[in-house]
Amino acid sequence: DGGITQSPKYLFRKEGQNVTLSCEQNLNHDAMYWYRQDPGQGLRLIYYSQIVNDFQKGDIAEGYSVSREKKESFPLTVTSAQKNPTAFYLCASTPLRDSNQPQHFGDGTRLSIL
Amino acid sequence: QQQVKQSPQSLIVQKGGIPIINCAYENTAFDYFPWYQQFPGKGPALLIAIRPDVSEKKEGRFTISFNKSAKQFSLHIMDSQPGDSATYFCAARWDKLVFGAGTILRVKS
Repeated sequence: DGGITQSPKYLFRKEGQNVTLSCEQNLNHDAMYWYRQDPGQGLRLIYYSQIVNDFQKGDIAEGYSVSREKKESFPLTVTSAQKNPTAFYLCASTPLRDSNQPQHFGDGTRLSIL
Repeated sequence: QQQVKQSPQSLIVQKGGIPIINCAYENTAFDYFPWYQQFPGKGPALLIAIRPDVSEKKEGRFTISFNKSAKQFSLHIMDSQPGDSATYFCAARWDKLVFGAGTILRVKS
């Protein structure tokens, strides 16, 4: 079955540590997205990528970094500069050429501070 | 202008009731308005979507009503069931999706 796989499901970060969240899709989608979800705030866009080796900042990119070396993969690194990283992180993807296609989401990674 | 305002924040209805969730937007460039359903510990899943040239769309028990002049759209869930208890997000798309803050729905049996 095609879909988006996020790992790990739960992740704990120590002070001063960088952590990387994995997102892999086998839907052959061009565009991939990272969102942060906090209670009562909906989904806020961190970074997105429409093509390999290219990505753009979203609304809350500070303290985060991404790479897009392969079409299937879009890992997100939460750096030590992100002072409030505790949240639910969601990865999504969509084809670019069919505007009727919705975004597909993974099942998220919950990040907490140790 | 990129915001989508969603209300209410939470909603409790009895089984069989018709919960209504409302969203409002300002940017007239939005061209696609999806609703997503999210269960705890899971990612959002597309429920139903509408384009601004249509005033209403039904899929099963779910209906979107769209008022272009008022820049508002709403989700109605007919004959609601306890299994509909979830968080619902409206969204609007121009070049990217912009999400509302979400509504936590609880359907009591």
